[in-house]
Amino acid sequence: GAVVSQHPSRVICKSGTSVKIECRSLDFQATTMFWYRQFPKKSLMLMATSNEGSKATYEQGVEKDKFLINHASLTLSTLTVTSAHPEDSSFYICSARVGVFGNTIYFGEGSWLTVV
Amino acid sequence: AQTVTQSQPEMSVQEAETVTLSCTYDTSESDYYLFWYKQPPSRQMILVIRQEAYKQQNATENRFSVNFQKAAKSFSLKISDSQLGDAAMYFCAYRRNTGNQFYFGTGTSLTVIP
Repeated sequence: GAVVSQHPSRVICKSGTSVKIECRSLDFQATTMFWYRQFPKKSLMLMATSNEGSKATYEQGVEKDKFLINHASLTLSTLTVTSAHPEDSSFYICSARVGVFGNTIYFGEGSWLTVV
Repeated sequence: AQTVTQSQPEMSVQEAETVTLSCTYDTSESDYYLFWYKQPPSRQMILVIRQEAYKQQNATENRFSVNFQKAAKSFSLKISDSQLGDAAMYFCAYRRNTGNQFYFGTGTSLTVIP
């Protein structure tokens, strides 16, 4: 079964509203989690690195005020898409690193966001 | 910057036959990891195989094996005895040893013909 869970798996929201996606490590502590975005038939693009208890590190070109990342505990990171627009519609995937120095990373099942 | 290139957007293979998916990458690092991930229609990323750059021996996992050519920066995936369940999008990925971000290729869509 999945060791990294994302919720919701699918969400539809109205343009201008905000939506939160959760990424949970189920049976391990994850000090570092990563958020990716995948457009249809495209590759995964890293959006940001989320570190527990500190600010996320965003990749170039990713608006940090639009994609708010919070990593308040060792098992939970959240991605909030603020003032969503149709162009934000995409598949969002998180991944989590096991432990502080671990080399094993698990991916979540992904979340489909549709903004109408 | 690390780049990963998959030059085959689509591939097809007859069931029970063998297929090879290509991947090249660019890096100035000497220590890193390479991966092949499978993404079926469910979109769940499934690790197929992993290779540490410091290891000369090619990784093998049952019907899946790689041909890792470090000098050429090439990392191809061979799927033997292809099964219908192998049909998926396959992503080649690079990860630095000191970091944990993945850099993905553009993917190869594999079709298995019964």
